Amino acid sequence: GAGVSQSPRYKVTKRGQDVALRCDPISGHVSLYWYRQALGQGPEFLTYFNYEAQQDKSGLPNDRFSAERPEGSISTLTIQRTEQRDSAMYRCASSLFSLREGDNEQFFGPGTRLTVL
Amino acid sequence: KNEVEQSPQNLTAQEGEFITINCSYSVGISALHWLQQHPGGGIVSLFMLSSGKKKHGRLIATINIQEKHSSLHITASHPRDSAVYICAVRRNYGGSQGNLIFGKGTKLSVKP
Repeated sequence: GAGVSQSPRYKVTKRGQDVALRCDPISGHVSLYWYRQALGQGPEFLTYFNYEAQQDKSGLPNDRFSAERPEGSISTLTIQRTEQRDSAMYRCASSLFSLREGDNEQFFGPGTRLTVL
Repeated sequence: KNEVEQSPQNLTAQEGEFITINCSYSVGISALHWLQQHPGGGIVSLFMLSSGKKKHGRLIATINIQEKHSSLHITASHPRDSAVYICAVRRNYGGSQGNLIFGKGTKLSVKP
């Protein structure tokens, strides 16, 4: 019954280190989305999954960013060789999946605040 | 020019006032979302609509597909309504299911 959870809530790392951000969606939600939100800005789409399949990764800024969802539930967003410009709030959301044309309400997690020093 | 524009950027109101936040978009869409981001950072979905009007409590959302415009109204505003309100659209051409395009948000502050 819990909502979308993310861990860690805060991550401070040094430039050049790799980080892994975790998202645990609502049980039964097929679709999982990753967003990045800079301070004072709206969220920006990164990538999304239906089950374990990555449907769209067009929003990933470069090849240092990758995401996986191997068993169709928990997802990990990995940033390699972090840079200061990667500092942002990284948000995960999940939704039910529908075969019908249309859209589904997305439920957002609390986010991971990443700071790269 | 952003594909999703919100106005105003900042809004201060007195408790009890009727509030309107506007969202205009320049792409074809299949759905529009209104989200509320609390001061603590959490995001909650308020409405998802593709036509007409929806109402939930003191909140009303309308959309005019022809004019590519949506409004979020808050009746009898209260200090607890203070938050950032974000408009997001899902494209219906050239985009994918998950590719929401977000506005920058409207920061609302309701004074007692």
